Amino acid sequence: DAGVIQSPRHEVTEMGQEVTLRCKPISGHDYLFWYRQTMMRGLELLIYFNNNVPIDDSGMPEDRFSAKMPNASFSTLKIQPSEPRDSAVYFCASSFGSSYNEQFFGPGTRLTVL
Amino acid sequence: SQQGEEDPQALSIQEGENATMNCSYKTSINNLQWYRQNSGRGLVHLILIRSNEREKHSGRLRVTLDTSKKSSSLLITASRAADTASYFCATDDNQGGKLIFGQGTELSVKP
Repeated sequence: DAGVIQSPRHEVTEMGQEVTLRCKPISGHDYLFWYRQTMMRGLELLIYFNNNVPIDDSGMPEDRFSAKMPNASFSTLKIQPSEPRDSAVYFCASSFGSSYNEQFFGPGTRLTVL
Repeated sequence: SQQGEEDPQALSIQEGENATMNCSYKTSINNLQWYRQNSGRGLVHLILIRSNEREKHSGRLRVTLDTSKKSSSLLITASRAADTASYFCATDDNQGGKLIFGQGTELSVKP
């Protein structure tokens, strides 16, 4: 298995632009998580899905952030409009059977908003 | 608020020595997990210990869990330079199903 795949690996954009991050979970996994990691705040859960349905989006910072999971093999995290404070590494992770089980992380997308 | 908090924040040792990292948490849990993150990479799962377990081993890793003290420790024996990474504990929130990660311990193993 290729593991969790994220794209792009790096994204540099200007303030006000729309950013879309993509994730392909491990085949057969029924949970998908989006995290954000910064030096100041550490690793924060933004949202997670179970069987493509959003379960908890309480970590989404504000309305500028949205996430979708149109099918079991694809999810997107969109930021519109982007701001410099959104600069961070965004991780996607997936797990099987329970949100408490072992999570498999992707390599992350390093986002820089100028 | 943080569920799991690691201690120390940073640890520097010589190759061959043992490294011990601690994690404390606040509320009851179903399980506790440890992850490793190499610089610039995603987190990698190391070990999961359930609330009814007290100790677990995996290779050079030994994890203990004391639910009465709400704490766990990760011991890496005979450390290697390749063990240099950040180590995170993660606990479930025992409510809605989220894993909450601590701030991590940055381990540096010098050859």
